[in-house]
Amino acid sequence: GENVEQHPSTLSVQEGDSAVIKCTYSDSASNYFPWYKQELGKGPQLIIDIRSNVGEKKDQRIAVTLNKTAKHFSLHITETQPEDSAVYFCAASLGGTGNQFYFGTGTSLTVIP
Amino acid sequence: ETGVTQSPTHLIKTRGQQVTLRCSSQSGHNTVSWYQQALGQGPQFIFQYYREEENGRGNFPPRFSGLQFPNYSSELNVNALELDDSALYLCASSFGGASTGELFFGEGSRLTVL
Repeated sequence: GENVEQHPSTLSVQEGDSAVIKCTYSDSASNYFPWYKQELGKGPQLIIDIRSNVGEKKDQRIAVTLNKTAKHFSLHITETQPEDSAVYFCAASLGGTGNQFYFGTGTSLTVIP
Repeated sequence: ETGVTQSPTHLIKTRGQQVTLRCSSQSGHNTVSWYQQALGQGPQFIFQYYREEENGRGNFPPRFSGLQFPNYSSELNVNALELDDSALYLCASSFGGASTGELFFGEGSRLTVL
């Protein structure tokens, strides 16, 4: 099955700096790559996603890039703010019906004011 | 629009017991997926229910079972609890049974097995 690896496991940045989280996947058939943010005591919430026919997607301060050849994708957060502090998970899916999302092990981001 | 709600939020069981966790899906959604999230780990797929039928299953033993009701709410049942079953159990609702598009997660049920 699919294997998603995520790095780093923890990341501390100064407020206003950028943060980058990287993920690799193993199954070249995966075609959908969402990123979820999980705040303490809450369920994960989708922040951005990308499909395999797109190389980059941006939404305000958040962007995701996908390199299908190398099988890796990254989350970029610019101008970080204290409210960005949370655990971030990448995931990969084969699409279709009934297929699961494979999640990475998470990155705990701390933005220092 | 009502979000995904799960109950109970916390529970403690002893090894060998059985547990039932409940999930109400978001209004308009007909698909419910269950995930197990161990401490410090990412969610792991248990199974998905789409229009009351199991529509995909992860690498979990048969003692993990589920149901989906006509109103699309769902239950996760775990028999013969083991210590390793201690985790946060997340329910996620979506539409159409597909594995693309947004999953709407509840806040989870935290199970502790002693």
